[in-house]
Amino acid sequence: QKEVEQDPGPLSVPEGAIVSLNCTYSNSAFQYFMWYRQYSRKGPELLMYTYSSGNKEDGRFTAQVDKSSKYISLFIRDSQPSDSATYLCAMSAGYQKVTFGTGTKLQVIP
Amino acid sequence: DTAVSQTPKYLVTQMGNDKSIKCEQNLGHDTMYWYKQDSKKFLKIMFSYNNKELIINETVPNRFSPKSPDKAHLNLHINSLELGDSAVYFCASSQGGGLAVKETQYFGPGTRLLVL
Repeated sequence: QKEVEQDPGPLSVPEGAIVSLNCTYSNSAFQYFMWYRQYSRKGPELLMYTYSSGNKEDGRFTAQVDKSSKYISLFIRDSQPSDSATYLCAMSAGYQKVTFGTGTKLQVIP
Repeated sequence: DTAVSQTPKYLVTQMGNDKSIKCEQNLGHDTMYWYKQDSKKFLKIMFSYNNKELIINETVPNRFSPKSPDKAHLNLHINSLELGDSAVYFCASSQGGGLAVKETQYFGPGTRLLVL
């Protein structure tokens, strides 16, 4: 079993839809949770980070962590064509080692 | 100013050759990384250096040798290139330190390596 599992998609939604991206993990030592966005032929860029369980909101993006279920989510409200990218969840127990999910490719159709 | 830069952006070479990829960060971070991203977009860590010292060395063939001349630079040298080495190689850096914000990593634009 991989440490981090992420549905690869692709996920195709109409503009304005609410998007839900999810990851599950098996390592209970993970305590830092991040979401990265990667546009085609570019490096990943950090979208959000959270520590421990709970919700964090930043504009149209909400990151949710449920440590008891080992499950994290990223919600995108009012999705835009510019949100079309691959979204990578990432987790760390500290010590600079980050484990990435395989990424979910999202396409928002105008 | 580019925070994390890599050269070259594209590298096409023959099997058996030796090549190097360079990385520089101007963020003042203490930790730098090399990742390999395969055709399925899976991003896997290869190496991590903190203040010029190797701290993470995943299961990577010893044909791959990282070198950190100072904490702002981390180069990757690959000997005897094989077809399976074809991938996108990303350099990244982070501040480190055990807090969520310091664990976040900043990635370079990637080097697309194609071995023929």
